[in-house]
Amino acid sequence: RKEVEQDPGPFNVPEGATVAFNCTYSNSASQSFFWYRQDCRKEPKLLMSVYSSGNEDGRFTAQLNRASQYISLLIRDSKLSDSATYLCVTSTGGGNKLTFGTGTQLKVEL
Amino acid sequence: NAGVTQTPKFQVLKTGQSMTLQCAQDMNHEYMSWYRQDPGMGLRLIHYSVGAGITDQGEVPNGYNVSRSTTEDFPLRLLSAAPSQTSVYFCASGSGASYGYTFGSGTRLTVV
Repeated sequence: RKEVEQDPGPFNVPEGATVAFNCTYSNSASQSFFWYRQDCRKEPKLLMSVYSSGNEDGRFTAQLNRASQYISLLIRDSKLSDSATYLCVTSTGGGNKLTFGTGTQLKVEL
Repeated sequence: NAGVTQTPKFQVLKTGQSMTLQCAQDMNHEYMSWYRQDPGMGLRLIHYSVGAGITDQGEVPNGYNVSRSTTEDFPLRLLSAAPSQTSVYFCASGSGASYGYTFGSGTRLTVV
């Protein structure tokens, strides 16, 4: 079993839709949590950190449930430019070691 | 600022050859890491460093060496390339646990 599990998708949604991604992690020692975005054949880029209290950045909302070891990402009013692979990431070892899920692919269509 | 710079962008090696992937950052980050990305596997940690002179192994260190003589540079050495090392390699740097990492644009390595 992978340490960070994600549904690979693809999620095909129309522009303007709301879409949610989920992720579960198995290492209870995980300390920090992130969502990264990766465009095709490009490097991962930090989208947002995830906190237990929930946090929002514009159209993006992230949530962490430590008891269930579950992380979510909600994207509202999807844009064509949101099409990418979204990587769920945890960290251990004081934040030095990142563990990546294999990613969820999102395709936003006209 | 250039951020994290990786060279080369592409490389083809023959089995048994050695080479060094270069990584440099200009953000004065303490933490630097090397990851490899393979289809269906996600990114996996090879080696990491928490500061100049300090390195440690990640999840898949075999066949790779690193050193960190300066804050800015963190080269990855392939000692004797094998086809199993065909992958995309990413270098990353960061300033602390909560802030995430900045990644370089990657090196696509093919070993034949």
